[in-house]
Amino acid sequence: GENVEQHPSTLSVQEGDSAVIKCTYSDSASNYFPWYKQELGKRPQLIIDIRSNVGEKKDQRIAVTLNKTAKHFSLHITETQPEDSAVYFCAASKLQGAQKLVFGQGTRLTINP
Amino acid sequence: DGGITQSPKYLFRKEGQNVTLSCEQNLNHDAMYWYRQDPGQGLRLIYYSQIVNDFQKGDIAEGYSVSREKKESFPLTVTSAQKNPTAFYLCASSIRTSGARRDYEQYFGPGTRLTVT
Repeated sequence: GENVEQHPSTLSVQEGDSAVIKCTYSDSASNYFPWYKQELGKRPQLIIDIRSNVGEKKDQRIAVTLNKTAKHFSLHITETQPEDSAVYFCAASKLQGAQKLVFGQGTRLTINP
Repeated sequence: DGGITQSPKYLFRKEGQNVTLSCEQNLNHDAMYWYRQDPGQGLRLIYYSQIVNDFQKGDIAEGYSVSREKKESFPLTVTSAQKNPTAFYLCASSIRTSGARRDYEQYFGPGTRLTVT
């Protein structure tokens, strides 16, 4: 089955700097890669996703890149702000009926003012 | 107010007792999911259901059971067979996906924190 590895487990950056979180997956048939943000005590929420037919997707300060050959994808946050502090999860699945998302272990991102 | 709800927020049980966690959604979603979240391990899929009266095991189904008698509801029972039941449980729902759709988001409930002593 699918296995998703996420690094780093914790990341601390200065406000205004960029943050990068990386994930690798094992199943070459996976074709959907979402990123979820979970603030302390709250539910996970989708922030950006990418399908395997696209190499990069951007939404304001966040972007995701996908390298299908190497089976890895990354989340990039630019101009970080204190409200970006949260736990971020990557995931992978095949799009077929219900999505069996396999999540990475999570990255705790702290933005230092 | 549309969304997905879980109750209760906190649940305490004695070891050896079965306990049922509630999950309700009014988003008209066909698919529903149960995840378990432990510190440092991300979310792991317990069970999922694509349509009413149908459900499949996820990666960690042992010691759990579900039912899907109504589209809106997907309760999870944590049985006494689950060796380590203390965890944060999250329910989610989504549209059944097809290649033409563009909304693949899973919408999560607020979660239930179960403590078994």
